[in-house]
Amino acid sequence: GAGVSQSPSNKVTEKGKDVELRCDPISGHTALYWYRQSLGQGLEFLIYFQGNSAPDKSGLPSDRFSAERTGGSVSTLTIQRTQQEDSAVYLCASSLSGEPQETQYFGPGTRLLVL
Amino acid sequence: GENVEQHPSTLSVQEGDSAVIKCTYSDSASNYFPWYKQELGKRPQLIIDIRSNVGEKKDQRIAVTLNKTAKHFSLHITETQPEDSAVYFCAASKGTGTASKLTFGTGTRLQVTL
Repeated sequence: GAGVSQSPSNKVTEKGKDVELRCDPISGHTALYWYRQSLGQGLEFLIYFQGNSAPDKSGLPSDRFSAERTGGSVSTLTIQRTQQEDSAVYLCASSLSGEPQETQYFGPGTRLLVL
Repeated sequence: GENVEQHPSTLSVQEGDSAVIKCTYSDSASNYFPWYKQELGKRPQLIIDIRSNVGEKKDQRIAVTLNKTAKHFSLHITETQPEDSAVYFCAASKGTGTASKLTFGTGTRLQVTL
């Protein structure tokens, strides 16, 4: 079956503009995660969804970052008033139910460049 | 919160040699430790994982060991091949309730030379 997909694959924007990043998890997966990967760094957790609820938003770096998930499927990560330090690869992952020790499957990421 | 440190940041080995990557974690409650491989421009893919109730797990040329007392775990790749060249990330998770998020190390760039 299809894996996790993300769009766009690349996004170039000007400082101060808003951007929306989309994630389509594996069909039937109820848990969805957003991570950020800055150059030369590991993956940094942003937010976790279980269904449409976000029980853990602890990784969102500022109130410019928000995310939602509708219909227990597609998720959108929105960054308002983008800054140059927001440039990174944004990765989405999903797992079947969010149970402990469950494998997370990653999407290909969206490479965001803020000029 | 959890902190995961990973060493070395780069590793170059000759084809056929072994490669070892080490990680330490700070939260003694962590109980799940996956390893991901990320090839250039590709998505991270799980290659092996270990749970805290075992000390070692092996899958063909790849093995992972866990020392809960010392709070460190290691990835061992034997008989390395050029296709093993990639960035490898370790991660840790408490895996309880809503705490399923992964905390990642900063990655090890492995280069296997001919």
